[in-house]
Amino acid sequence: KAGVTQTPRYLIKTRGQQVTLSCSPISGHRSVSWYQQTPGQGLQFLFEYFSETQRNKGNFPGRFSGRQFSNSRSEMNVSTLELGDSALYLCASSFPGRENTEAFFGQGTRLTVV
Amino acid sequence: AQSVTQPDIHITVSEGASLELRCNYSYGATPYLFWYVQSPGQGLQLLLKYFSGDTLVQGIKGFEAEFKRSQSSFNLRKPSVHWSDAAEYFCAVGARSNDYKLSFGAGTTVTVRA
Repeated sequence: KAGVTQTPRYLIKTRGQQVTLSCSPISGHRSVSWYQQTPGQGLQFLFEYFSETQRNKGNFPGRFSGRQFSNSRSEMNVSTLELGDSALYLCASSFPGRENTEAFFGQGTRLTVV
Repeated sequence: AQSVTQPDIHITVSEGASLELRCNYSYGATPYLFWYVQSPGQGLQLLLKYFSGDTLVQGIKGFEAEFKRSQSSFNLRKPSVHWSDAAEYFCAVGARSNDYKLSFGAGTTVTVRA
C-alpha cells in the first residue's frame, strides 16, 4: 500500500510569508504527527492529530498550527516565517489502538526561508 | 517527561566489522522504544521496535537491539556492516498512552569505510 505522502518536497519562502505543508497518511491511519528536524535542535515534535482533533502539542510558538480533515489528511501552517524555520518537516501516520502500532514517516518537506 | 540520549555523535566502522550504537532513555515506566534510520534528504525508516516481551528484538537489514531495563538502555547492533548502512540512526521513546508523541535522540551518524 502507498506510504505517507508529503507535498511539496521542497519549498523556498521569504521571511514574513506563510506556508502550508500537506500530509496524506497511509490508508486507514487516523493519527498524524508532525516533526521539525534541524541540524541544531534535531527532531522535535510539533503536534499530533487524531480524528480531526489536536491531542498533543510540542513547545512551538503559535505561528505553527495544523489541522486534520475528515479523510485524515493533515496540513500544517507556519505564519510570519523566520529564517530559523528553515528545516525538514516530517509527517508520520499511525493506526492507533493496536498494541504493536508504530509511526510511519513520509520523506519530508524541505523548507528554506530566505 | 521522556528523553533519549545517544552518546555517540559519529561512529566510523570498517565494512564487515560489527556495529553497536548506544541509546539511553529516561521514562517513568517501561516505554515503547524504536530505532529509525535516515539516509540524506530522506524520511525516517523504522529498523525495529520494542513494546514488551522478549528483550532482544530483531529488525530489518540484519539489525537487532536489546532492551535492558536496569540500565535504561536500548542499544542497536549489527554483526557485519555493509557500505549501504552508512546513514544517521535515531533512537526514540514513546509513552504508553494514546498519544503518539515520540522523543528522539540527537542521532548517530555512521560512516562505513572500505
